[in-house]
Amino acid sequence: SQKIEQNSEALNIQEGKTATLTCNYTNYSPAYLQWYRQDPGRGPVFLLLIRENEKEKRKERLKVTFDTTLKQSLFHITASQPADSATYLCALDMWAMNTGFQKLVFGTGTRLLVSP
Amino acid sequence: DAGVIQSPRHEVTEMGQEVTLRCKPISGHNSLFWYRQTMMRGLELLIYFNNNVPIDDSGMPEDRFSAKMPNASFSTLKIQPSEPRDSAVYFCASARGSRGTDTQYFGPGTRLTVL
Repeated sequence: SQKIEQNSEALNIQEGKTATLTCNYTNYSPAYLQWYRQDPGRGPVFLLLIRENEKEKRKERLKVTFDTTLKQSLFHITASQPADSATYLCALDMWAMNTGFQKLVFGTGTRLLVSP
Repeated sequence: DAGVIQSPRHEVTEMGQEVTLRCKPISGHNSLFWYRQTMMRGLELLIYFNNNVPIDDSGMPEDRFSAKMPNASFSTLKIQPSEPRDSAVYFCASARGSRGTDTQYFGPGTRLTVL
């Protein structure tokens, strides 16, 4: 079955370092992948979208890579700050075979803690 | 520009009671989604509407759950009767496009506790 995996353990890093979060998927070939940020008590907020024919996408201190051979996306935050502390979710477009419709399926997220 | 609005923000109810969650999507958005988030299962899509019409309700857990979208600016998710296992945070999201995979804008969520 189709599966999305994000590291369930929190990632602790020091301010100024680069944070790298991983999103792996199996048994599927998504056309694109999205990354969202979620703060405690709030809804997810869209950050970046990368398509299958794009290897890398950047937005300010954020960088996303998409390796369709490895079935993996990496999400990097350079020069991390305590304000970057949040949970980061990846989401893939998937065909629901039982309905024939496409929908976004979210990973369970990885919590990032940036200490001063 | 107001984002997605949900009410109530918190709801505590007793098992067997009816619960109604409300959502106002971003003006001009064509699609609306209801999600449920728990620690165990993460963020799960319950149902999605396009132009007020339900497109995919395969994620609705059982007949106790129902959702309506009577017009472009309002949707409800109802649970009747509620059970303790329904306790979760329920999010509403909207999107500009018509596809279920367009970038989504989430509301603040409703934290539901069923005792």
